[in-house]
Amino acid sequence: DTGVSQDPRHKITKRGQNVTFRCDPISEHNRLYWYRQTLGQGPEFLTYFQNEAQLEKSRLLSDRFSAERPKGSFSTLEIQRTEQGDSAMYLCASSLERTLGNTIYFGEGSWLTVV
Amino acid sequence: GDSVTQMEGPVTLSEEACLTINCTYTATGYPSLFWYVQYPGEGLQLLLKATKADDKGSNKGFEATYRKETTSFHLEKGSVQVSDSAVYFCALIAARGYNKLIFGAGTRLAVHP
Repeated sequence: DTGVSQDPRHKITKRGQNVTFRCDPISEHNRLYWYRQTLGQGPEFLTYFQNEAQLEKSRLLSDRFSAERPKGSFSTLEIQRTEQGDSAMYLCASSLERTLGNTIYFGEGSWLTVV
Repeated sequence: GDSVTQMEGPVTLSEEACLTINCTYTATGYPSLFWYVQYPGEGLQLLLKATKADDKGSNKGFEATYRKETTSFHLEKGSVQVSDSAVYFCALIAARGYNKLIFGAGTRLAVHP
């Protein structure tokens, strides 16, 4: 399977703990995105990388959140000192820089439950 | 700012019924428009897209036409199947949006035999 892969698929953590999610984009894709989706809502943009550069961060991305994409390949999203409000599905997506409107491919998401 | 508004669900239909899910948008310039589908327990899949006014996107029997004058991109299907049961998301990428998708809240479709 050469799609976007995310790990872990599910994570249950206690409030105050740190968690990290990993995303492996489609191999030739230079753009990588993180979104957050809560129950009954559409995905909300968190951040975007072009190669290894983080070009945009949403105001939703508080200082407890950090994302990296070393070497422009896989990416990690870390949440420090988790809160119950962080419970959501974290979606990773990737695309190839081309003309406007090229397809963005999503992974299956990483579910986070903070107890 | 840019935004997408979808009709609220759930939409419940019998098999072979006609489907319309309304979607309107607010954006400057000429955004690209998309419909994504999310089946239970799965990630988002692109269903169809349109990148300029009057374009019609189509896939798997679903269609949507980019209407600039009404800022709409309604999803339609002439005859739904049980396997179409899913959540459908309308989304846009602004003209200068670096391919950043902005989603609506989603509409759940349940199709019964």
